[in-house]
Amino acid sequence: QKEVEQNSGPLSVPEGAIASLNCTYSDRGSQSFFWYRQYSGKSPELIMSIYSNGDKEDGRFTAQLNKASQYVSLLIRDSQPSDSATYLCAAAYSGAGSYQLTFGKGTKLSVIP
Amino acid sequence: DGGITQSPKYLFRKEGQNVTLSCEQNLNHDAMYWYRQDPGQGLRLIYYSQIVNDFQKGDIAEGYSVSREKKESFPLTVTSAQKNPTAFYLCASSIPTSGRAPPEQYFGPGTRLTVT
Repeated sequence: QKEVEQNSGPLSVPEGAIASLNCTYSDRGSQSFFWYRQYSGKSPELIMSIYSNGDKEDGRFTAQLNKASQYVSLLIRDSQPSDSATYLCAAAYSGAGSYQLTFGKGTKLSVIP
Repeated sequence: DGGITQSPKYLFRKEGQNVTLSCEQNLNHDAMYWYRQDPGQGLRLIYYSQIVNDFQKGDIAEGYSVSREKKESFPLTVTSAQKNPTAFYLCASSIPTSGRAPPEQYFGPGTRLTVT
């Protein structure tokens, strides 16, 4: 069973702080990982993808991948109230000639002004 | 504008009725997917399609059916056999998965189905 685990939160951080979101996955065959942001009542929005060990930065977001530990994280620098949302971690695995994603249940982030 | 559209946004049905949810994309993506999301839960894959006239069951296909007659369209039918159909339904599409590029999936706005 391919699983992606996230702390459900809520994770509360003050405005301007760094928010750290974590995710672990069970399938060592997973090669690609994704972070989605989902506002309440809306659909998920892709914010980061990562498939190599190390860090990948995009603006205020940094994704980190450690395949040996089967661990993925998302750092949000200078957190803003508009970052308050649920963040979904997803791992891609291949099968039957195609890729599918397994999603975690999400971590709810609350940025306090 | 390129994107994925789902209609309607909200849908109400009586128990025992079949209902079809629409998903259209003009991104020229080959692969399309259907997920459902329940409160406090992650997304669960219902069906996916890599090419026209071909589709595969996901983790929770029972009680659902799909068709893929056109590249742009991937409608989902929720049948009366689905025991708990009330959920938020999300359609997604992705670029071709050949090569080393990660298969980034992009989502439509979703349809919230309520069955009473």
